Order: sequence, then C-alpha cells, then structure tokens
Amino acid sequence: ILNVEQSPQSLHVQEGDSTNFTCSFPSSNFYALHWYRWETAKSPEALFVMTLNGDEKKKGRISATLNTKEGYSYLYIKGSQPEDSATYLCARLLNTGNQFYFGTGTSLTVIP
Amino acid sequence: DGGITQSPKYLFRKEGQNVTLSCEQNLNHDAMYWYRQDPGQGLRLIYYSQIVNDFQKGDIAEGYSVSREKKESFPLTVTSAQKNPTAFYLCATSWGGSSYEQYFGPGTRLTVT
Repeated sequence: ILNVEQSPQSLHVQEGDSTNFTCSFPSSNFYALHWYRWETAKSPEALFVMTLNGDEKKKGRISATLNTKEGYSYLYIKGSQPEDSATYLCARLLNTGNQFYFGTGTSLTVIP
Repeated sequence: DGGITQSPKYLFRKEGQNVTLSCEQNLNHDAMYWYRQDPGQGLRLIYYSQIVNDFQKGDIAEGYSVSREKKESFPLTVTSAQKNPTAFYLCATSWGGSSYEQYFGPGTRLTVT
C-alpha cells in the first residue's frame, strides 16, 4: 500500500533523444510527490514538488506531470544531454504525517 | 557556505560496536531526517525530527537511536542491535513547511565487519 514504483529501472539514450519515465504510487492519502536527481558522487537534489492533480512543472528541458487519481507521475527530458545522466528518484508524502516513501529510482545514461 | 555536513564519508567498525554518524546543518531548517540506502532499494526512513527534542521513528528504526538537542545537529547511532548495519546513510533537512522539499547531505558509507 505504501510502495512507490519507478520504471524503467535503467535507461540508455543517445544525446539529443527525448525520454520519459514513470513513478507509480497508491493514490490514497496523497499529499505530495517529489522528484529528485541524484548524480554520481553528489547529493540528491530536488527537481519538483507536486501537490495537485493535473500539476505540470517545468525546469529547462525537464518537465513533470502528476495524476493523483490514478497514482502516477511522469518525468520528461527533452533533448537529453550527457549532464542529464543521473538517477531520478520520486518520493511520495502521505497526508497522515511527514514520512516520505521513495522509489528505487530510474538510472539514466545519456551517451554522447 | 550553507549546507549539510555528514562525517565521516567512510566509516569502518567491528561487529558489536556502536557507532555514531554525524549530521550538521546551517540552513536553519526545522526538520531533519535519516535515510538508509541498500542496493536495489529506495531510500528508507530511519528517524525524523521536526523540532528540537522531538523525533519519530520511520519504518526501519529498530537498532538505531537519535537525538535532537540542537536545531543544527541530528546524530544517528547505529547500535549493535542493528542486524545489517552496512549501508549508505543519508541525512536530509527541510523547512517542514507545506512543500517539504528535502536537502540532502553527502552521505556516510558504513561498513561493519
């Protein structure tokens, strides 16, 4: 009931390709959904905080959408660049407390 | 230079010894968290604290203890009761407000043999 699933587990794309990945979660007790980017040898950094059904957020070439009724969020990267290579984590926050539940992440490798 | 400091980066201990991992922040954030990462698993919450002198257990608190005597500091003790202590440990902070965006430290890799 608490599991956050991310797919695919890993992805290799060519530079310039656009890509997307999915975060699925139980729709009950939803409060917020976060996306983080975790580059190798660095700390995870927040990309988006999403709270409302239908939310769409954008930061440069990266965007995300949220569907709280069906329990999923998509992360899109347009025109992938090698510096986009990282693991992308999503985390769900319940409305019953302050505990985040993280997915296992999608590892993206952008090949120059 | 604002941020979150975790020390040391690598830590080695013998089985049966308690060990304390440090987490310090100068972001003036109210909330602090400890996560554990194991291969093939998402980050799992060990403990979190929203204010000084108060903290709550996460899903995997058994074998761990924490204290929050100062706003800036949230040390985690891995006790000998923790059956599989070898892991990567991340500390995080947040304002604790409605967005709950988290800021992460660099992590400590603990190896217990």
